[in-house]
Amino acid sequence: GAVVSQHPSRVICKSGTSVKIECRSLDFQATTMFWYRQFPKQSLMLMATSNEGSKATYEQGVEKDKFLINHASLTLSTLTVTSAHPEDSSFYICSATSRAEKLFFGSGTQLSVL
Amino acid sequence: GENVEQHPSTLSVQEGDSAVIKCTYSDSASNYFPWYKQELGKGPQLIIDIRSNVGEKKDQRIAVTLNKTAKHFSLHITETQPEDSAVYFCAASTGANSKLTFGKGITLSVRP
Repeated sequence: GAVVSQHPSRVICKSGTSVKIECRSLDFQATTMFWYRQFPKQSLMLMATSNEGSKATYEQGVEKDKFLINHASLTLSTLTVTSAHPEDSSFYICSATSRAEKLFFGSGTQLSVL
Repeated sequence: GENVEQHPSTLSVQEGDSAVIKCTYSDSASNYFPWYKQELGKGPQLIIDIRSNVGEKKDQRIAVTLNKTAKHFSLHITETQPEDSAVYFCAASTGANSKLTFGKGITLSVRP
């Protein structure tokens, strides 16, 4: 299947700092990428849809100024958690749709805010 | 919007037995139904999917069936192995680049 690379896999930061997570489609171009958040033992919660060359579409209740998304190229989308607080600690996962219209996920980023 | 229900939340089977996981969906416009396997601390892995123009699809020990009339689809795992133990998510969408709606997931445990 298609490969989606996500970095870093784990990050620990101090409260008030910003953290950037990268999501790359390695062997295909993705005009659309999705960012999810997952709490322990729960399902995936869609945060936003990232479209190459345009503004991201955020789900209801997700603060766009808090979670900045940039999809600058057909293979890269970034999620920046600004002014992180302990309640932002979570597992963040990106995904991208391949040419075959299948959705592939990155390996996830565990964010811990102290 | 779409609502995907997945029951039960946990399933335990003996190694070698079959496991069946069922999901229901609400939106008759949904036409794509993937299944994902997620191991602890990792992202979900696509294991099999089915589109609404077929009723069944098989890939080695894994199969998926779809009943559009009843709006439910199932994952079948035969000859289960301990490495099949994971959380399995079903999902539904209305097509390319459309949002996937996920079920809540089921934890499958395969007892050696």
